[in-house]
Amino acid sequence: EAGVTQSPTHLIKTRGQQATLRCSPISGHTSVYWYQQALGLGLQFLLWYDEGEERNRGNFPPRFSGRQFPNYSSELNVNALELEDSALYLCASSLEGFSGNTIYFGEGSWLTVV
Amino acid sequence: AQSVSQHNHHVILSEAASLELGCNYSYGGTVNLFWYVQYPGQHLQLLLKYFSGDPLVKGIKGFEAEFIKSKFSFNLRKPSVQWSDTAEYFCAVGPVMNYGGSQGNLIFGKGTKLSVKP
Repeated sequence: EAGVTQSPTHLIKTRGQQATLRCSPISGHTSVYWYQQALGLGLQFLLWYDEGEERNRGNFPPRFSGRQFPNYSSELNVNALELEDSALYLCASSLEGFSGNTIYFGEGSWLTVV
Repeated sequence: AQSVSQHNHHVILSEAASLELGCNYSYGGTVNLFWYVQYPGQHLQLLLKYFSGDPLVKGIKGFEAEFIKSKFSFNLRKPSVQWSDTAEYFCAVGPVMNYGGSQGNLIFGKGTKLSVKP
């Protein structure tokens, strides 16, 4: 069974541009989560989608947004990129609302902003 | 604010030494607790989890953790480490809401790097 898959593996963008990262959850999982792992800051929760709706977001500005598609895949959009957005972006998935369910992480997408 | 503290940033041990990694959290309500491991060049993998029941939980590769509610702690232990345990270990807490659901977020500690010398 395939795990959580993310694309692209690496992405280099210029400050001010937009980045789009994609995630496919484990088959049968309806919840998708996005985390940012920046150097020195650890893993920070970004967004939670379930059944196509945004259920919760972390303490990030509105230029971080995303959506979940009917097939439960998700994309994360980062607008007006800043240098400090350079990080590993992790997607994770679980059965609905992970309380009582484990979340599983993908390998991440490295975003470099120059 | 909810937070997770991992006491050690970097731990260096020799093979066969015993390991204990500390994790404390600040949240007054019910929580789910996790330890994740990230081996060099690999993605985060679940090591073990606690949702309810026996506070001593056993995970993969001989790891175990004990939830002590009164101390808000969930320390990770292994009696005898191997070189292959070299990795970064993350403690995470998932707050459980009154209705039994979650906010959908895990709060992670900053991680502890474990280096095991052969």
